[in-house]
Amino acid sequence: DAGVIQSPRHEVTEMGQEVTLRCKPISGHNSLFWYRQTMMRGLELLIYFNNNVPIDDSGMPEDRFSAKMPNASFSTLKIQPSEPRDSAVYFCASSHRSSVVSGANVLTFGAGSRLTVL
Amino acid sequence: DAKTTQPNSMESNEEEPVHLPCNHSTISGTDYIHWYRQLPSQGPEYVIHGLTSNVNNRMASLAIAEDRKSSTLILHRATLRDAAVYYCILEGIYGGSQGNLIFGKGTKLSVKP
Repeated sequence: DAGVIQSPRHEVTEMGQEVTLRCKPISGHNSLFWYRQTMMRGLELLIYFNNNVPIDDSGMPEDRFSAKMPNASFSTLKIQPSEPRDSAVYFCASSHRSSVVSGANVLTFGAGSRLTVL
Repeated sequence: DAKTTQPNSMESNEEEPVHLPCNHSTISGTDYIHWYRQLPSQGPEYVIHGLTSNVNNRMASLAIAEDRKSSTLILHRATLRDAAVYYCILEGIYGGSQGNLIFGKGTKLSVKP
């Protein structure tokens, strides 16, 4: 398996532009997570899907951020409009969880998308 | 969410064992203890997890205190490639935290040749 695939790896955009980050989870995984990492705040959980359904989006900073998972093999994180403070590395991770209490949730992370908003 | 406390940084010499501590005094009986690490310019990588008993895998060992209020990640022979930030995380299986892995600041491990 190629692992969790994220695109683009690097994105430089100007303030006000729309940004779309993409993630392909590992085949067979049914949970997907979006994290953001900055020097100041470290790794923050933004949103978590289980079986394509958003379970917890309490970490999404504001309405400018939205995430979708239209099917089991694809997810997007969109920022519209983007601001300089959104500059960060965005990680996608996936896991297989057969049931809520079946055991520990072991995540596999992608390589990340580095976003710079000028 | 249950919190963990780790030292900000640690140093080790190559080829020597490393013991990375983690305190989690508010852990609940059903929380899993996870360890992940993040190498420079890479995404976090799973290392090991446990519930009550000590665990071993090809990467490391996890020693869990009897009262579960602390744990130690053991790298048996540190290599330069083990230089990374190590995160100790609790995962609850009930309530709002189920499945969520909330990362703290972690411990930055430096390995000297």
